[in-house]
Amino acid sequence: NAGVTQTPKFQVLKTGQSMTLQCAQDMNHNSMYWYRQDPGMGLRLIYYSASEGTTDKGEVPNGYNVSRLNKREFSLRLESAAPSQTSVYFCASSWRDRAYEQYFGPGTRLTVT
Amino acid sequence: GENVEQHPSTLSVQEGDSAVIKCTYSDSASNYFPWYKQELGKRPQLIIDIRSNVGEKKDQRIAVTLNKTAKHFSLHITETQPEDSAVYFCAASIDYGQNFVFGPGTRLSVLP
Repeated sequence: NAGVTQTPKFQVLKTGQSMTLQCAQDMNHNSMYWYRQDPGMGLRLIYYSASEGTTDKGEVPNGYNVSRLNKREFSLRLESAAPSQTSVYFCASSWRDRAYEQYFGPGTRLTVT
Repeated sequence: GENVEQHPSTLSVQEGDSAVIKCTYSDSASNYFPWYKQELGKRPQLIIDIRSNVGEKKDQRIAVTLNKTAKHFSLHITETQPEDSAVYFCAASIDYGQNFVFGPGTRLSVLP
C-alpha cells in the first residue's frame, strides 16, 4: 500500500516548455487535489476532483490544466511553463465524505528557468 | 474569499515548554479547521482538526481551541520535544475540506 505517489520528484524546465505531473493513489479515495507550496505562502489549491469525472478550480488555477484519468490517477499539466510556476507541487487524496482527512504525496520540486 | 493569517511565523521554545500558534480567518461560514505538520523535505500530515460546533479538542500533548465569535483558532503543544520541530500549517474550509485555504505556516524549533 504505497498511499499517494507522485512522479517525477524533481524537474527543471525552460520557460515555454510543457510537462505533466503525475499522481496516483491506491487507497480507493474518491477525491483528489493538486496544491502548490511556495516559501512563506503555505499550500494553495490549484484544482481538485471531488469524484471521478469531475474537476473544479481551486484558488490558483491559471496556467494549469488537470485530468482525472480514472479513480486512481489525477494529472496536472503545465502547457507553457513560466518562472512564476517554480514551486513544490503536492497531490493529495481523500474520501469524498471525509474531504477533511487529506493524505499528501511526497511532492514534486519544479524549477522553471 | 477566505483569508487565513497565522502567527508567529517562527517560534523557538525550550524542550519541555509549551508552544502556541494562532490563526485567524475571515469567512464566518468556515466550518472546519485542520492543522498540518510538515517536517523538512516531507509531505504535510494532518495532526489535529476541529469543527465549528466544538470549542476545544485534545489529543495527548496537542490541543486546538476555536473562538468562532473572534474568528480565530489556536494550536497548543505541551511538553514539547525535539521531534515536534517542523513547520505547522493551519487551514480553514467552508465545506468540510473540499476547498482548504492554508495559512502561511509557523516554523517551530524545539531547543534541547
